[in-house]
Amino acid sequence: EAQVTQNPRYLITVTGKKLTVTCSQNMNHEYMSWYRQDPGLGLRQIYYSMNVEVTDKGDVPEGYKVSRKEKRNFPLILESPSPNQTSLYFCASSLYGGFNEQFFGPGTRLTVL
Amino acid sequence: EDQVTQSPEALRLQEGESSSLNCSYTVSGLRGLFWYRQDPGKGPEFLFTLYSAGEEKEKERLKATLTKKESFLHITAPKPEDSATYLCAVQEDTGTASKLTFGTGTRLQVTL
Repeated sequence: EAQVTQNPRYLITVTGKKLTVTCSQNMNHEYMSWYRQDPGLGLRQIYYSMNVEVTDKGDVPEGYKVSRKEKRNFPLILESPSPNQTSLYFCASSLYGGFNEQFFGPGTRLTVL
Repeated sequence: EDQVTQSPEALRLQEGESSSLNCSYTVSGLRGLFWYRQDPGKGPEFLFTLYSAGEEKEKERLKATLTKKESFLHITAPKPEDSATYLCAVQEDTGTASKLTFGTGTRLQVTL
């Protein structure tokens, strides 16, 4: 089944404790992206990657890191999480090397205390 | 400054009662406008891409149209299973990079 998977789905952590949210797709897509979704603000792009070893900042990259060492994986790293990073996070991938027809993962709900 | 505005925020329809959702945008160089559907607790699901004014796309009871300043998602004879939040997103051509901006969505509820 073609899909984007994220782990964990739910995470409660404390301020300053480094964490990684994994994202994997099995569709051989070149393009991958991370978003956060907050009430009243909609989906905002954090980082995106056009291909392996190619990443770029989205609208809200502060406090996040990403890496793209393999085509299928695009982890999101929070080196020192803070409460304002409490949010619902989505990973997405696309075949066409852009934003067209993105497939979204199921989401990761992160709470930073 | 909001670049993508969706209205209404929420809409309640009876089954069979057709209506339209609006997405207005203010970007200068539109590269693409996308519609997604999001069910509670799930990631958005792609519906349509529109590239230029005058373009239309259809899928079952949904039809998306595009002008130079806005897009409409027309829902004809909706059913309860069409209940969801509908999101639009605009890709702006900035010359050096692509910027994607989502609206905050329209929550649609279709009742029997």
